[in-house]
Amino acid sequence: SQKIEQNSEALNIQEGKTATLTCNYTNYSPAYLQWYRQDPGRGPVFLLLIRENEKEKRKERLKVTFDTTLKQSLFHITASQPADSATYLCALEDGNKLVFGAGTILRVKS
Amino acid sequence: NAGVMQNPRHLVRRRGQEARLRCSPMKGHSHVYWYRQLPEEGLKFMVYLQKENIIDESGMPKERFSAEFPKEGPSILRIQQVVRGDSAAYFCASSPGGLPTDTQYFGPGTRLTVL
Repeated sequence: SQKIEQNSEALNIQEGKTATLTCNYTNYSPAYLQWYRQDPGRGPVFLLLIRENEKEKRKERLKVTFDTTLKQSLFHITASQPADSATYLCALEDGNKLVFGAGTILRVKS
Repeated sequence: NAGVMQNPRHLVRRRGQEARLRCSPMKGHSHVYWYRQLPEEGLKFMVYLQKENIIDESGMPKERFSAEFPKEGPSILRIQQVVRGDSAAYFCASSPGGLPTDTQYFGPGTRLTVL
């Protein structure tokens, strides 16, 4: 069956460290994958998109990798700040629609 | 440029009533997507619409749920004869085109509670 999985447990890290979030999928062949941020009571906000032929994408303190052999994407936030605390969702393309993971809660402590 | 608007933000219905959720896409966007989010779960795709057309409704329950995006006015997600299991946050997103790589911009959501 098709699955998209993110770390189910919250990730707690110290301010200034690098946070790494994982997204694994099975039985999908996405042409691209996206990462979103969601704060409590709000809609998701787009962060980054990476295509299947791209190994890595960067935007300011964010970095995404996409390994189609491992069927995995890693999302990194360097020099993390308390304001980065949120739920991070990965989403992969499946034809006309996006399929979302359940999200990983990130808590950055000062 | 206003973002995606959804109303109402909170909606309470009793079992058996109808729920109507509205979504106004960003200006210039003609593609709308509806998602449902249950507590502790990810967003689940329901339906993808373009002006006056349903493009993909593969995630929509076959009964009681319907969606439209008329030529004029907002997109409407309608749930008839609501049941407790319909309680969830419903998000709509819009994009400027229908390309898979187009960014989807999400609204703040409507939180439906069925008593």
